[in-house]
Order: sequence, then C-alpha cells, then structure tokens
Amino acid sequence: LAKTTQPISMDSYEGQEVNITCSHNNIATNDYITWYQQFPSQGPRFIIQGYKTKVTNEVASLFIPADRKSSTLSLPRVSLSDTAVYYCLVGPGGSQGNLIFGKGTKLSVKP
Amino acid sequence: DAGVIQSPRHEVTEMGQEVTLRCKPISGHNSLFWYRQTMMRGLELLIYFNNNVPIDDSGMPEDRFSAKMPNASFSTLKIQPSEPRDSAVYFCASSLNEGLGGYTFGSGTRLTVV
Repeated sequence: LAKTTQPISMDSYEGQEVNITCSHNNIATNDYITWYQQFPSQGPRFIIQGYKTKVTNEVASLFIPADRKSSTLSLPRVSLSDTAVYYCLVGPGGSQGNLIFGKGTKLSVKP
Repeated sequence: DAGVIQSPRHEVTEMGQEVTLRCKPISGHNSLFWYRQTMMRGLELLIYFNNNVPIDDSGMPEDRFSAKMPNASFSTLKIQPSEPRDSAVYFCASSLNEGLGGYTFGSGTRLTVV
C-alpha cells in the first residue's frame, strides 16, 4: 500500500480557503485517493475520493496532477466547524483492500 | 439508513475480564473493518472481513483478541482477558465491495480497562 505524507497541522481563519496537500510517491495504477474527516469523539467521515484530475462535491474539491504523486484537498470558505483531523489515504477503490490511516492533518480554524 | 451501529458506546471493565464489542454494518455492505484508535498509535486496522470471511487479521495485537462475523449483519470483537493497554476507542466500518465511496464508520466504543 502506498504511503502518504501530509502536514501534521494547519491553521486557518473563518472564510478562508484551505488547501491540504498529500504526497504519495508510490501510488499504484489501480489506487484511488480518498480523504476522511474526523471530529473528536466521532468516527472518520468520508469526504471525497478521486483517481485523476479534479473531483468536486458539495463539501470539497480534490485536485490530482497528471503524475498522481500528490493530491490537494481544497475546503472553500472554512468555518469553525471544519476544525478536525483530515486523513489522506491511498489504496484500491472500494473495499478491495484495507486502508491504512496515517497521522492526518489537524486543521484548526480560528474566528 | 441508520448507518453503522456499534454497541456499547462506552465500556469500563476490570483487568482480566472478557469484553465483547458489537457492530451492525450498513445493510448491503459486504466488507467490514475493525479499527482501534489511541493518541499514541492513531487509527490501527485490526481485521477486515469480506462477505463474512476474515481476509486480513495481521493487525490483531495478540491471541487475546478475536473477531467473528457470523452473518452479513453482525460482527463481534472480543478481548479475553482484557488489559489496561487495551484501553482505546474501537471503530467498526463497512463498505460496498464493488463500488467506490469509501468506508462508513460507526460512532465507536470507548473501552477503558482498569
């Protein structure tokens, strides 16, 4: 399974756009990139998943360059409630494999 | 859909006692995962099942831990005997085998072994 590297922590202010970048140099051809969000005392929550180029949903956008060795999660106009830990995972799509969670990025949004 | 349901939400037990954690996956999901989360080690995958069959249990810490999935709608994680170092939040997650869309996690069971 491809290893991922992401910043340990990030700070932002309400209303700003936040971009969290994840490196995955050893990504395999059949690997997808998935991001999860975890609030204290809750289980991780699926945010977005992509294979290449750009994916957008009502919560976030995911940008993946052509070489797929990195990806960027973009959160538009964050609010205090977006304070959470964000995990980047790389692995086969669906549940064809077991996903390994790293340390994640602790995002703190300030007023 | 009620999501992934775990019980109990909290469990406090004495060292040496048997602990059983329960999970009901989302109906129609055929993969189930047990994770453990601590401050020191983060989220660790313990075991996962596909179509009720254990696929990878290499994350199970030791023989004191066992997991079963007797049918598609129920799984248990048992610790016997429990030790203080087993204190953690245990999460169950489920997903569809064919499709994309990631895992759905339950709310977790906070286990404290004293």
